[in-house]
Amino acid sequence: DTGVSQDPRHKITKRGQNVTFRCDPISEHNRLYWYRQTLGQGPEFLTYFQNEAQLEKSRLLSDRFSAERPKGSFSTLEIQRTEQGDSAMYLCASSLTYNEQFFGPGTRLTVL
Amino acid sequence: DAKTTQPPSMDCAEGRAANLPCNHSTISGNEYVYWYRQIHSQGPQYIIHGLKNNETNEMASLIITEDRKSSTLILPHATLRDTAVYYCIVRVTDSWGKLQFGAGTQVVVTP
Repeated sequence: DTGVSQDPRHKITKRGQNVTFRCDPISEHNRLYWYRQTLGQGPEFLTYFQNEAQLEKSRLLSDRFSAERPKGSFSTLEIQRTEQGDSAMYLCASSLTYNEQFFGPGTRLTVL
Repeated sequence: DAKTTQPPSMDCAEGRAANLPCNHSTISGNEYVYWYRQIHSQGPQYIIHGLKNNETNEMASLIITEDRKSSTLILPHATLRDTAVYYCIVRVTDSWGKLQFGAGTQVVVTP
């Protein structure tokens, strides 16, 4: 257990539905990252926050995706109008230093 | 950030040293080599990082060649719990930004 928690751990939804995932970072960590991982591939960066400011977004983050980190604490990742291609593991990580990102266990999304 | 090349898989006997190679021939002077691993159904875990000197911690050793174009992660006494995908990542120093993962090396430690 790294201290980063994600909820839910698994989500099954139907195509076209909206889903929201939550990440609770280690409390003193001001940097928070979201990644997506499909089967057999390494994680791909989606976006990252310094406190409540979203500093970088990947081109993978289409306009159906939105992430927030109100008050610089927990973060949410919402996917609107889900598609089957959104099925993946969504990973959250937090950090306090340049060197190490601490990852949560991930939320596995299945879109039927 | 520079690109890395790793073998897709390797096997290792329990108790023996596992030597995981990584090629990063386009590495720049301000880029570090990082290693993470991902055990099945878990998020990635930081192992070690280095710039040009060899590094060692409680988990592993990192050997970087003098020209910095390749490196080797050494797990000195592999256990079954070391079975995981190992990722070699090159990253600019003092960077808060993203980690760029490749496909990594699937290491299977056998009894």
